Amino acid sequence: AQKITQTQPGMFVQEKEAVTLDCTYDTSDPSYGLFWYKQPSSGEMIFLIYQGSYDQQNATEGRYSLNFQKARKSANLVISASQLGDSAMYFCAMRVFSGSARQLTFGSGTQLTVLP
Amino acid sequence: DTAVSQTPKYLVTQMGNDKSIKCEQNLGHDTMYWYKQDSKKFLKIMFSYNNKELIINETVPNRFSPKSPDKAHLNLHINSLELGDSAVYFCASSPKTTYRTYEQYFGPGTRLTVT
Repeated sequence: AQKITQTQPGMFVQEKEAVTLDCTYDTSDPSYGLFWYKQPSSGEMIFLIYQGSYDQQNATEGRYSLNFQKARKSANLVISASQLGDSAMYFCAMRVFSGSARQLTFGSGTQLTVLP
Repeated sequence: DTAVSQTPKYLVTQMGNDKSIKCEQNLGHDTMYWYKQDSKKFLKIMFSYNNKELIINETVPNRFSPKSPDKAHLNLHINSLELGDSAVYFCASSPKTTYRTYEQYFGPGTRLTVT
């Protein structure tokens, strides 16, 4: 079974500063993918970034980067130059690639508030 | 233009009623899902369908019955609604995956309130 742990229920960051949202995971499957989704107050789920377990480099998408430390089983999201619009709930998720199951297992989320 | 759509967006109903939530995707994906997000924002898989066949059925009460008439649709029917069913229900879809294919596309969610 897979498990995702997000230990920060809430985080605050000053506008224009960088922030790291923590995520650790647990799986015995060697092939898996890690995802971050953003959920603003409007409720939709917005895909941010993906990291595959065999990817050699850390994923980056604009201001988002994923600090992937495989040995530590961590996949922290780094948001650079925070903006007020980044205030939202952030979810870390994982899926394994063995078998036919393709569902995502989610962490409990981190509520990020960007302060002006 | 919408990739994954759900109807209705809001659903308020009384205990004991039966209701359905519809989901459609126009992305040509072969796998569709239902997730439930509870009041504490925790998201959990309920069902997964691959080419109209049920792949995953998590420990969900049998009052919940998914129905997939074709690859593009996965509807969720709920019988005898209870207060604890109040949540946001998300439909999602994903393509047939190779290792590098990954993203799940989520619908806008349906906020169900049972009174």
